[in-house]
Amino acid sequence: AQSVAQPEDQVNVAEGNPLTVKCTYSVSGNPYLFWYVQYPNRGLQFLLKYITGDNLVKGSYGFEAEFNKSQTSFHLKKPSALVSDSALYFCAVRPLYGGSQGNLIFGKGTKLSVKP
Amino acid sequence: KAGVTQTPRYLIKTRGQQVTLSCSPISGHRSVSWYQQTPGQGLQFLFEYFSETQRNKGNFPGRFSGRQFSNSRSEMNVSTLELGDSALYLCASSQEWGGTEAFFGQGTRLTVV
Repeated sequence: AQSVAQPEDQVNVAEGNPLTVKCTYSVSGNPYLFWYVQYPNRGLQFLLKYITGDNLVKGSYGFEAEFNKSQTSFHLKKPSALVSDSALYFCAVRPLYGGSQGNLIFGKGTKLSVKP
Repeated sequence: KAGVTQTPRYLIKTRGQQVTLSCSPISGHRSVSWYQQTPGQGLQFLFEYFSETQRNKGNFPGRFSGRQFSNSRSEMNVSTLELGDSALYLCASSQEWGGTEAFFGQGTRLTVV
């Protein structure tokens, strides 16, 4: 079955420190990869995507993600965390083949908490 | 450019009732997808519409249905509501089916009592 794993339910970092939110996936082919952020009682906001090309993708609000094909990972990173980055982060994949093409498969989400 | 608009934002319904949720995609976007978000199951795909046709469907019972109109607006309907249907229902729009970006609305918070 196709799936996305976010192994950490919560990540705690101090403001100004680098942060990493992990994501691995099990999807056949070369899917599109995404990160979304969700603030309380809000919808999902698009952060960044990987379609093809350079393995390091830059997105909104200073976030970036590194694609690793051999490890089927797409970790979200930021060099210096802000308190305002505290939110719920979702990794998602869009398969390009098979019955699930067209829809997003989401991980369970990782709650990021940035302390001052 | 207006974003994805979902109405209503909040709903309270009684078990056994039915409910209709609405989603207006970004202007020019022709694909609309629906997702259910619950604390236990996370984000689960319901269905996707493109050019008024359902292109893909998730693993939900037949009580969940949807449609898309010629102006790309979409509605989803849940009949015979159950307590477990309480969730945040999110709509996403893309320019094309299987597009490289999906933009989400604020969601409709449905509570079944």
